[in-house]
Amino acid sequence: KAGVTQTPRYLIKTRGQQVTLSCSPISGHRSVSWYQQTPGQGLQFLFEYFSETQRNKGNFPGRFSGRQFSNSRSEMNVSTLELGDSALYLCASRWAGGSYEQYFGPGTRLTVT
Amino acid sequence: TQLLEQSPQFLSIQEGENLTVYCNSSSVFSSLQWYRQEPGEGPVLLVTVVTGGEVKKLKRLTFQFGDARKDSSLHITAAQTGDTGLYLCAGEETDSWGKLQFGAGTQVVVTP
Repeated sequence: KAGVTQTPRYLIKTRGQQVTLSCSPISGHRSVSWYQQTPGQGLQFLFEYFSETQRNKGNFPGRFSGRQFSNSRSEMNVSTLELGDSALYLCASRWAGGSYEQYFGPGTRLTVT
Repeated sequence: TQLLEQSPQFLSIQEGENLTVYCNSSSVFSSLQWYRQEPGEGPVLLVTVVTGGEVKKLKRLTFQFGDARKDSSLHITAAQTGDTGLYLCAGEETDSWGKLQFGAGTQVVVTP
């Protein structure tokens, strides 16, 4: 079974631009969570989607948004990029049928200049 | 402030030695997961523990979940250079809908 895939793997954007990152979960997994990883803050939870509904949201500004499609694929969007948004963005998928395990993708490395 | 406190932050040992990483919190978790992460890659799930007092073994790795489900430990026996990496513990509180709270991580370096 293929793992979680994320595209693109690397991205360089300019301050003020917006960016969309994509995540394809493991086949059959219906829950997708997004995390931001930085050297200073570690791994921070952004939001979680299940059946196209956002069920939980972390403490991030409204510039960070996401959505989930009917095939469970998910996208996250960051608008008006700031230098501090430079990070590794990770998505994780879970079967969500009472399981606890979250499986992570390789991440998207976003650099804002 | 991290909800989960990991210690130590850094561990350098020689091949063949044993090591233990600790993960502590004042919160109760419905589950706790351990991951290992390589630079520039996503975390790889090692184990999930859900029952207080649970002990799981994965080859040379032994994971324990505290009786009160607030803390956990990872013990590696006879470490190998392939065990080098960043070890992360992550807890999920009840009804937190996919939100994992991560520790800051323990960087383990195993030298030949």
